[in-house]
Amino acid sequence: GAVVSQHPSRVICKSGTSVKIECRSLDFQATTMFWYRQFPKQSLMLMATSNEGSKATYEQGVEKDKFLINHASLTLSTLTVTSAHPEDSSFYICSADRGIQETQYFGPGTRLLVL
Amino acid sequence: EDQVTQSPEALRLQEGESSSLNCSYTVSGLRGLFWYRQDPGKGPEFLFTLYSAGEEKEKERLKATLTKKESFLHITAPKPEDSATYLCAVQARKAAGNKLTFGGGTRVLVKP
Repeated sequence: GAVVSQHPSRVICKSGTSVKIECRSLDFQATTMFWYRQFPKQSLMLMATSNEGSKATYEQGVEKDKFLINHASLTLSTLTVTSAHPEDSSFYICSADRGIQETQYFGPGTRLLVL
Repeated sequence: EDQVTQSPEALRLQEGESSSLNCSYTVSGLRGLFWYRQDPGKGPEFLFTLYSAGEEKEKERLKATLTKKESFLHITAPKPEDSATYLCAVQARKAAGNKLTFGGGTRVLVKP
């Protein structure tokens, strides 16, 4: 299967600081990458979809200026949580696929704790 | 709007006690239905993709089936290592950018 990595796996930051999370497809070129958020004992909530070289498409209710997404290459997407607050504490997971009707493969997730 | 409902929310099984998980969906033209397994603190791990009614797929003790309204994940003679949350997701033909809609998941605990 395809491998997707995320870095860091865990991050603790102070309120008001920005945090960047990287998502990489290690053994394939990802047409599309997705960013999800997951609260304890809940399912995945899609935040945004990104394609290499174009602006991300955000889901309703997700603040574009707070969650900055950059899809710099076919193997790398980054999510920056700007001016993080305690309510942004969550488990952030990325996924990637190779195209239409292709399976999404997920990264291991990043646990963010904002103090 | 595409919707996915999984039941039960939680399932406790004795080792060897077979059972089935349900995933009911409504979607405007199904492109694919996906099953994932998620362990605590980790990202979902891909299990199966089903594309059309009547299709079945198997992997070890797991078997997924699909009808026009629902999918079942059958766990045969489960072992404690099958304990996880099982997630079902659908992709609509009209989904922008291959978007997936997830159900709430079924938490499975298999006791030895």
